[in-house]
Amino acid sequence: NAGVMQNPRHLVRRRGQEARLRCSPMKGHSHVYWYRQLPEEGLKFMVYLQKENIIDESGMPKERFSAEFPKEGPSILRIQQVVRGDSAAYFCASQGDKAGYEQYFGPGTRLTVT
Amino acid sequence: GIQVEQSPPDLILQEGANSTLRCNFSDSVNNLQWFHQNPWGQLINLFYIPSGTKQNGRLSATTVATERYSLLYISSSQTTDSGVYFCAEGGATNKLIFGTGTLLAVQP
Repeated sequence: NAGVMQNPRHLVRRRGQEARLRCSPMKGHSHVYWYRQLPEEGLKFMVYLQKENIIDESGMPKERFSAEFPKEGPSILRIQQVVRGDSAAYFCASQGDKAGYEQYFGPGTRLTVT
Repeated sequence: GIQVEQSPPDLILQEGANSTLRCNFSDSVNNLQWFHQNPWGQLINLFYIPSGTKQNGRLSATTVATERYSLLYISSSQTTDSGVYFCAEGGATNKLIFGTGTLLAVQP
């Protein structure tokens, strides 16, 4: 039973470039959450998606960040015009279809902006 | 929103020792999880425990939802237990709110 997959595991971008982070949930899971872990800070919720729908994006920065979870393929977290403050570990988690079930985390993508 | 406090913030143990980590919550507990973030940064699910007690090997957890706290017990600690332990509460929306973590170092 494959776990949550994230790629790339490490991503280096220069200021102003775009970063695309991918997350494939566990088989049979249709709920995806994205979290960010800034250096010396805890994990913070960013966005919650189901297939083709953004359910809650209350934790997303207002500008430059977007997320999608298309009918086919992985969920994508996109950061446009990256700045040094975007350097962080980005985790996605997947959850089964019943409310209240636990979330399973991927290995994370470590983004470094130079 | 809900506040999650973890204690102690850090802990140093000798191999073989036991420890108890605690999470306190400012609101009702509905979807509580414990995680271990290993030194490579990966988040490992330990327990999904909105109430009651569960055990998995040397680890066990107890959540007393009516009193808004949860405990994680580590027995006979090993060096591989080192890392950061997080509790997180999802509430009604299941957006996990994480505590600040307990940094555990187990020395040989």
